[in-house]
Amino acid sequence: KAGVTQTPRYLIKTRGQQVTLSCSPISGHRSVSWYQQTPGQGLQFLFEYFSETQRNKGNFPGRFSGRQFSNSRSEMNVSTLELGDSALYLCASRARPGETQYFGPGTRLLVL
Amino acid sequence: GEDVEQSLFLSVREGDSSVINCTYTDSSSTYLYWYKQEPGAGLQLLTYIFSNMDMKQDQRLTVLLNKKDKHLSLRIADTQTGDSAIYFCAEVSSNTGKLIFGQGTTLQVKP
Repeated sequence: KAGVTQTPRYLIKTRGQQVTLSCSPISGHRSVSWYQQTPGQGLQFLFEYFSETQRNKGNFPGRFSGRQFSNSRSEMNVSTLELGDSALYLCASRARPGETQYFGPGTRLLVL
Repeated sequence: GEDVEQSLFLSVREGDSSVINCTYTDSSSTYLYWYKQEPGAGLQLLTYIFSNMDMKQDQRLTVLLNKKDKHLSLRIADTQTGDSAIYFCAEVSSNTGKLIFGQGTTLQVKP
């Protein structure tokens, strides 16, 4: 079975721009979660989607949003980018909430 | 609140055992996880333990859980240079089901 895939793997943007990251879960998995990893804050939960509905949301501003499609693929959008948004964004999938999460390789975003 | 704490750094010699420790706060957490992150990579699931277990062994990995003290440890036997990475402990929030991660322990293995 193929693992979680994320695209793009690397991205450079400038302040004020917006960005969309994509995540394809493991086949059969209907839950997708997003995490932000930075050296200062560590791994922080952004949100989780299950069957196209947002189940949980972390403490991030409204500039961070996401969605999930009927094929369980998910996208995350960050608008009006700030320098502090530079991070590794990790996506994780699981069959359903409560089960073990499997992570993708991440998208490294650099905001200049 | 929910919190997971780990020591930040551990250095061992190749062939020795490594023990990485973690404390957590959510006593209702059902599963506790260990993930490994190599430079530039995502998180790789190493192992997990269900909260009603005290110990789980998987090849070179041994997980010990002390529920009374909310203490979790990961022992790596015969540590190899390829084990050099950051190791994250995580608990599952009983309220939200999301993963709460520790800061990560950097394991350095010297030849």
